[in-house]
Amino acid sequence: DTAVSQTPKYLVTQMGNDKSIKCEQNLGHDTMYWYKQDSKKFLKIMFSYNNKELIINETVPNRFSPKSPDKAHLNLHINSLELGDSAVYFCASSPRGTRYEQYFGPGTRLTVT
Amino acid sequence: KNEVEQSPQNLTAQEGEFITINCSYSVGISALHWLQQHPGGGIVSLFMLSSGKKKHGRLIATINIQEKHSSLHITASHPRDSAVYICAAVPGFQKLVFGTGTRLLVSP
Repeated sequence: DTAVSQTPKYLVTQMGNDKSIKCEQNLGHDTMYWYKQDSKKFLKIMFSYNNKELIINETVPNRFSPKSPDKAHLNLHINSLELGDSAVYFCASSPRGTRYEQYFGPGTRLTVT
Repeated sequence: KNEVEQSPQNLTAQEGEFITINCSYSVGISALHWLQQHPGGGIVSLFMLSSGKKKHGRLIATINIQEKHSSLHITASHPRDSAVYICAAVPGFQKLVFGTGTRLLVSP
């Protein structure tokens, strides 16, 4: 069974569209995250949710909106996509916060044309 | 300048060599992660450290909180160790700051 799963794996879309990426973890963890990895392979935290509550909201454009319907799911919705949004987006989970081991999903490669 | 710096950026080694990757950070932290990103893109957590040293197989990670420095060592390196190694510092509650990564290539 996959611990942290993301769908879709690849997403190609045009500028201006709205898209969503879904994430699910079956580890029973309390905390879930979205990370962005840019073209230079640099990782940056975007959001962190703990038990469905938003904890971290880094300086991310408000076109990005995370939604956590329950503690096993954290989805990322992106409005009005821009070329600069092209990146690999990783979902991750940990038992309780960033001081605990992180379990990463396989990543979603978003390409905006 | 990034709050978390890694060196070297790129590293090539022959199979069997001892490898050291360094991570320095400029902020106070409570913990530090070492991650491995495979050539296929997947990311795996190797260690989470708050003090001292941890060992797992051929991998050893050390941290000196006072000196703001951590190292990842690989003994008897193997081509399957080829990957990008990333350190990530925990500077506060629920925060995580990533290093720039070290790309390792181990040749047979």
